[in-house]
Amino acid sequence: GAVVSQHPSWVICKSGTSVKIECRSLDFQATTMFWYRQFPKQSLMLMATSNEGSKATYEQGVEKDKFLINHASLTLSTLTVTSAHPEDSSFYICSANSGRDRDTQYFGPGTRLTVL
Amino acid sequence: AQSVAQPEDQVNVAEGNPLTVKCTYSVSGNPYLFWYVQYPNRGLQFLLKYITGDNLVKGSYGFEAEFNKSQTSFHLKKPSALVSDSALYFCAVRDWGTDKLIFGTGTRLQVFP
Repeated sequence: GAVVSQHPSWVICKSGTSVKIECRSLDFQATTMFWYRQFPKQSLMLMATSNEGSKATYEQGVEKDKFLINHASLTLSTLTVTSAHPEDSSFYICSANSGRDRDTQYFGPGTRLTVL
Repeated sequence: AQSVAQPEDQVNVAEGNPLTVKCTYSVSGNPYLFWYVQYPNRGLQFLLKYITGDNLVKGSYGFEAEFNKSQTSFHLKKPSALVSDSALYFCAVRDWGTDKLIFGTGTRLQVFP
C-alpha cells in the first residue's frame, strides 16, 4: 500500500515550452501532496505543499507563476513548469501523506526534466 | 527551528559487516524522525520512523534505528550489510505545525563485496 506514481519518468523539452508532471496516489487518498526538487548529489528542496481543492503553498524563493501546482482531486496533483529554461533542468519528486498514516510521506519515483 | 544533520557524506563498509549511518537532530518538542533510501534516478523509499514508544525501531530490508534522546541521535543500523544496500540515505524530521519534512544532506553508503 501507499504507492505514489509520477508521469513522465523523464522528459526533454525545448527552452520556452511548458512541461506538466503528474503525481498520483494509486491506492490511497492524499489530502496533502508535496513537490520537491533535487539537484545532482544534493538533498531534496521542498518547493510547495499542495492541498486538495485549495491553492498550493510555495516555499520562499519558489516562483509560483513559473511552477504551477494543481491538486484537483484526492489522488492527483500536477506540477507545470512554464516557459522552461535550462536552469529548470532537475529531478522533480512528489510525495503524499496517506490518510491512514499522516505522519509518513510516500514518494514517487521522480521525473527527470532536461531543458535544451 | 527543526533540523537534522548527517555528519558523513559517505560511509564505506564491507559486505557482511555491520553498518551505521549517523543522524542527529535538533527540535523543540518531541521529534518525529524518519529514514529514507534513494537509489540512483529514483524517488525515496521509506525505511522506518520513530514517533513514540520503543527507542529501537525496526524497518524495511533489515534496517533498524535507535532513538537516543540524551544524544539527540537517530542512527540507522544494519547487522550485516549487503552490496545491494549501496544507495543514498536521508534522515528527516517532521516540522511541528506542518506536515513538512526537513531532510539532512544525505549519506552515500557504499558496500564493497
